[in-house]
Amino acid sequence: DGGITQSPKYLFRKEGQNVTLSCEQNLNHDAMYWYRQDPGQGLRLIYYSQIVNDFQKGDIAEGYSVSREKKESFPLTVTSAQKNPTAFYLCASTLGPQNTEAFFGQGTRLTVV
Amino acid sequence: GENVEQHPSTLSVQEGDSAVIKCTYSDSASNYFPWYKQELGKRPQLIIDIRSNVGEKKDQRIAVTLNKTAKHFSLHITETQPEDSAVYFCAASRGYGQNFVFGPGTRLSVLP
Repeated sequence: DGGITQSPKYLFRKEGQNVTLSCEQNLNHDAMYWYRQDPGQGLRLIYYSQIVNDFQKGDIAEGYSVSREKKESFPLTVTSAQKNPTAFYLCASTLGPQNTEAFFGQGTRLTVV
Repeated sequence: GENVEQHPSTLSVQEGDSAVIKCTYSDSASNYFPWYKQELGKRPQLIIDIRSNVGEKKDQRIAVTLNKTAKHFSLHITETQPEDSAVYFCAASRGYGQNFVFGPGTRLSVLP
């Protein structure tokens, strides 16, 4: 186990607050992704980044923001504009240039209280 | 954009029987099709993948078949065991610079 690490494992947020989820990888992967997983549903793409200092919106980017200042790090901020943020968030990375295995972090469960 | 459908959403089989999960995709340019297994409370992990230049791939009790013409691919698990119980996700990708599109998942229960 290891290679891509998410923290924290559990996170509680008050309504109106921004929170940032951490994702770090030491696999030297170029591409990183953020997915949201709701109970009984699949993985929906929030944002992805193929190279440093560049990222693209996924299918459900509204209310979220990201940065990719370093190859190893791809933090996700859940802003107060996200109306239903309670979910399980998964970060993943791939080698980049070719389609290869996506390695996932262990996830962060965010709950709005 | 790509759309991936997955069926069934839930599947229960007796231990020792086979399980088949089918996915369809919409983008004919997709060329990489992985399958992920997610056990309860854990991260998804790759179990098998197939590229568009191959029709079938097998790894012990797990196999994947791809029909490019019909744009569908299937996961086959033989001699199922209780530890196969999990949620299985299929995905499709077009290649360099493109992200994965996941299916909604299939919850497989292997009954003893």
